[in-house]
Amino acid sequence: GNSVTQMEGPVTLSEEAFLTINCTYTATGYPSLFWYVQYPGEGLQLLLKATKADDKGSNKGFEATYRKETTSFHLEKGSVQVSDSAVYFCALSGPTGGFKTIFGAGTRLFVKA
Amino acid sequence: DGGITQSPKYLFRKEGQNVTLSCEQNLNHDAMYWYRQDPGQGLRLIYYSQIVNDFQKGDIAEGYSVSREKKESFPLTVTSAQKNPTAFYLCASSMVGATNEKLFFGSGTQLSVL
Repeated sequence: GNSVTQMEGPVTLSEEAFLTINCTYTATGYPSLFWYVQYPGEGLQLLLKATKADDKGSNKGFEATYRKETTSFHLEKGSVQVSDSAVYFCALSGPTGGFKTIFGAGTRLFVKA
Repeated sequence: DGGITQSPKYLFRKEGQNVTLSCEQNLNHDAMYWYRQDPGQGLRLIYYSQIVNDFQKGDIAEGYSVSREKKESFPLTVTSAQKNPTAFYLCASSMVGATNEKLFFGSGTQLSVL
């Protein structure tokens, strides 16, 4: 079945450091890929998405590229801020799983001033 | 503003008690979902519904029940059969018909056992 694997946290960085959170997936066909972010005590909100191979999703300085050849969707940001501290979830939906979304375990990011 | 409202934010359950978590949306979405989140783990799907009066079990449905009598509402009941109910519960909704549709989440309910 479909699955998502992301790097374990926590990840601790200083402000203005470069961020990479690795995400790989297993799926038949061409799923849609997502990054969601969860701030303390809140629900998840969509950060970015990509729906086909080589697409790049981007939002608020974060980027991720849909790599079919390596089945990856790594999240990157060039310069993190304290306000980026949160839990980040990689996720996929379809095609064989229908519209249901499957989530990775989440990666907690701490950014120090 | 459109969105999803979950209540209560905190809930305590006594031994042998059933409790119901509320989820209401005004986004006009057909699909609604319940997820369970445990510390350090991803989200696990409990139940989902694509249309009124119809719902399907997710990956961890045992000990839970749902109803979908109205498009806007998808309450979750945690029954006494659920032996480990302490978790953060998230309700979500989406449009139906495309696999690239994002999920909209509520702010969650933290359930604890007394």
